[in-house]
Amino acid sequence: AQTVTQSQPEMSVQEAETVTLSCTYDTSESDYYLFWYKQPPSRQMILVIRQEAYKQQNATENRFSVNFQKAAKSFSLKISDSQLGDAAMYFCAYRSSSYNTDKLIFGTGTRLQVFP
Amino acid sequence: DVKVTQSSRYLVKRTGEKVFLECVQDMDHENMFWYRQDPGLGLRLIYFSYDVKMKEKGDIPEGYSVSREKKERFSLILESASTNQTSMYLCASISGAPIYNEQFFGPGTRLTVL
Repeated sequence: AQTVTQSQPEMSVQEAETVTLSCTYDTSESDYYLFWYKQPPSRQMILVIRQEAYKQQNATENRFSVNFQKAAKSFSLKISDSQLGDAAMYFCAYRSSSYNTDKLIFGTGTRLQVFP
Repeated sequence: DVKVTQSSRYLVKRTGEKVFLECVQDMDHENMFWYRQDPGLGLRLIYFSYDVKMKEKGDIPEGYSVSREKKERFSLILESASTNQTSMYLCASISGAPIYNEQFFGPGTRLTVL
């Protein structure tokens, strides 16, 4: 069975600085999808960024980018130029490429604090 | 924009009560999910549904049941609520294709069982 591990329960960053959130996963599959979701305080969870495992190029969405290391089964999220609005819980998630399941497997989350 | 709504943001129930949590999505998505979110445990899948009247158990189905009579609505039922079911419950939906589509989440229902 696949598992997702986020080893940093809490992280903090100064506004305008860069922070990296770690995520590792375990799978025997060669094709899969990885996601980072953001859950702001008392607000809905939203997708930040996604990566297809068959793509070698790291995904980027504005200030958010990932470092996808397939061999190491690592999928870290880098937030550049951190803003106060980036404060949230961040969840890493794995999804099999098999068509018979849309299930996401989540990590335990990292709470990010952003200080002015 | 996809909208997923949940019937209540906060709910307080007593042990032994039957509890209904409702979720509605407005984008004609085939697949819907119920998760439970607890500190230090992340999100755990309770049940999911690929179509009307179809359901499959997730990782922690014990103590829960679901109902999907209409495509847009997916209900989570606690037949006899217990204190260990105090948690945040999140509903999500996703279109069947393409496979890398994101799941859209509702705002969550924070359930307290006394």
